[in-house]
Amino acid sequence: AAGVIQSPRHLIKEKRETATLKCYPIPRHDTVYWYQQGPGQDPQFLISFYEKMQSDKGSIPDRFSAQQFSDYHSELNMSSLELGDSALYFCASSADGINTEAFFGQGTRLTVV
Amino acid sequence: DAKTTQPNSMESNEEEPVHLPCNHSTISGTDYIHWYRQLPSQGPEYVIHGLTSNVNNRMASLAIAEDRKSSTLILHRATLRDAAVYYCILRDVEGSQGNLIFGKGTKLSVKP
Repeated sequence: AAGVIQSPRHLIKEKRETATLKCYPIPRHDTVYWYQQGPGQDPQFLISFYEKMQSDKGSIPDRFSAQQFSDYHSELNMSSLELGDSALYFCASSADGINTEAFFGQGTRLTVV
Repeated sequence: DAKTTQPNSMESNEEEPVHLPCNHSTISGTDYIHWYRQLPSQGPEYVIHGLTSNVNNRMASLAIAEDRKSSTLILHRATLRDAAVYYCILRDVEGSQGNLIFGKGTKLSVKP
C-alpha cells in the first residue's frame, strides 16, 4: 500500500540558507501535518492543513512557512536556517475525520552546519 | 489540549504481557484517546484508539476507565520489535482537525 512519501530523506544546509521539504500524502488523504523532532525530543507539532487550507498552527517559527497544493502534497519552507533547526521533520496524513489514524512518513533529517 | 501523563520508562520480558498506563484526568467528553508508538529511527505509528469502550485490534488492546480519566494500552505478548516510545494522545473531535499533540511518552524496553 502507498505510504506517506517525504523528500529529501537527508538534507545538509548552511546557516542562513533556505530549505524546502516536501510531503506526498497517501492518495485520497486530505489532511497533512508537519512535525519537528530534535535529538532526544518528542515530536513537536508545527502546522496542519485540511483541504489545502491551514487548519491549525503549533510551535512553527515565523521563519518557516508551509502550504498544501491542489494535488494535496505539501511543502515546508524554512528560511534563515539556524543550527537549532537541525532535526527530523515528519509529515503525516489522514483521511477526513478525527476518528481516523494518521500515517507518518519516514521523515527528512535536516542538518544545519 | 487536554494533557496526558505517562511513566517515563517501563521494562518487560519478551512474550509477557505489558500494561502501559496513561492518566488524562482533564479529558473532555469529545476527546478520543489515541495511542501511537515510535520505533527507533522511524516515524510514529498508529496503534489503537477509543472513546469510551474497550477496544481490541491486531496490535493491542485499549482499556478505558469508566470515568475516562485513565486508560491502559495492553500488549498481550511483548516482542523485541515492540521496543519503542509509546505515546498516549487526546484528540478533540470538535474544532480543528484534531491535531496529534505528542507529550512525554513511555519508553518501553523488552528483554529477551
